[in-house]
Amino acid sequence: IQMTQSPSTLSASVGDRVTITCRASQSISTWLAWYQQKPGKAPNLLIYKASNLESGVPSRFSGSGSGTEFTLTISSLQPDDFATYYCQQYDSYWTFGQGTKVEIK
Amino acid sequence: EVQLVESGGGLVQPGGSLRLSCAASGFTFDNYAMNWVRQAPGRGLEWVSTLSGSSISTYYADSVKGRFTISRDNSKNTLYLQMNSLGADDTAVYYCAKDLLGLGPFDVWGQGTMVSVSS
Repeated sequence: IQMTQSPSTLSASVGDRVTITCRASQSISTWLAWYQQKPGKAPNLLIYKASNLESGVPSRFSGSGSGTEFTLTISSLQPDDFATYYCQQYDSYWTFGQGTKVEIK
Repeated sequence: EVQLVESGGGLVQPGGSLRLSCAASGFTFDNYAMNWVRQAPGRGLEWVSTLSGSSISTYYADSVKGRFTISRDNSKNTLYLQMNSLGADDTAVYYCAKDLLGLGPFDVWGQGTMVSVSS
């Protein structure tokens, strides 16, 4: 299963609402996770089963979607949110999207 | 505190072998599947391999199948990755990661260990 994220890079300002899209090459139901990764650090799980917020993750992060199209939304971008975000399907083995870098506008 | 600590990375010549280890603490190790994920310099994340808690089920990415072997010693709370026939494309930071809920997403990650394949 191939995972395609868009955009590859996103320029935004603090306080902006940000949306990242992830598309699967075939239906994965809701077997999708989102991760945040900062330079030189391991990824951090944000969302699992498409819309479930991992413990300790701020509520400004939310996920939605099912089947082949999914979104990660940050309701009000904070300075700590500038990072790269990856989606991951776990319906059939495991596959990551190519990543979306959220940078300062 | 749940923690994963990888070790064993380093510089290896093409065609060589290396064994990575991941020491786990803070959770009941044998209750969880464990995973290896790698990231080549400047690139995205690539799933490598997964092993069930009981070691009954193993899974490999096509890119490493037949060359890499995942294993675990539940008495030592340690996960391993034996890597053979290494090539330049295997150069990456290798992370071990704990499964959240039954062959699902990965909720705890180690800090990573760098593997460089070069002559």
